[in-house]
Amino acid sequence: ETGVTQTPRHLVMGMTNKKSLKCEQHLGHNAMYWYKQSAKKPLELMFVYSLEERVENNSVPSRFSPECPNSSHLFLHLHTLQPEDSALYLCASSQGQGGTYEQYFGPGTRLTVT
Amino acid sequence: KNEVEQSPQNLTAQEGEFITINCSYSVGISALHWLQQHPGGGIVSLFMLSSGKKKHGRLIATINIQEKHSSLHITASHPRDSAVYICAVPFFGGATNKLIFGTGTLLAVQP
Repeated sequence: ETGVTQTPRHLVMGMTNKKSLKCEQHLGHNAMYWYKQSAKKPLELMFVYSLEERVENNSVPSRFSPECPNSSHLFLHLHTLQPEDSALYLCASSQGQGGTYEQYFGPGTRLTVT
Repeated sequence: KNEVEQSPQNLTAQEGEFITINCSYSVGISALHWLQQHPGGGIVSLFMLSSGKKKHGRLIATINIQEKHSSLHITASHPRDSAVYICAVPFFGGATNKLIFGTGTLLAVQP
């Protein structure tokens, strides 16, 4: 257990559906991240929140919409996704924001878009 | 060209063997991360180092800042070490600094 939980662990959705991924960290961290991991590709940063404020949107399509209501919770709202969006979506948190802090990852949500 | 390169991409070892995984990077860094990803998908941070060497159990990580190279060593490997090992470096660009990841090394340790 890393102290970061994600739900659901698996999700299958059609291209017209709307769904949300949830992440919760129990570590008292100030920064939270969404990453996408596609087959045979490195992890890609999607969004960064620091003290509940979005500080990075890494050229992510608008069909992905993040929400950070407080420092412990992070959501990723999904709508009208494409099959190429099928991937493992990982949430992470860290004490401070940025690559010089150790990041703690959740178990991921395996998303399949049909 | 990836800014973080790992080698080998795949590695099969027999239980008990000494294993080395390499990471080279092209950007200036202040620290380098080694991560482990098990088949279920979850990622665990193994090391964050900015110089020299760190050791945790059977795992050893070294870094040479001048040569922009790091290695992860596993001594007395065991089947439970089978996982993907990923190195990552901070990159300072855009609004924030963020981690840039290698593609990972898939390690299989056979009994």
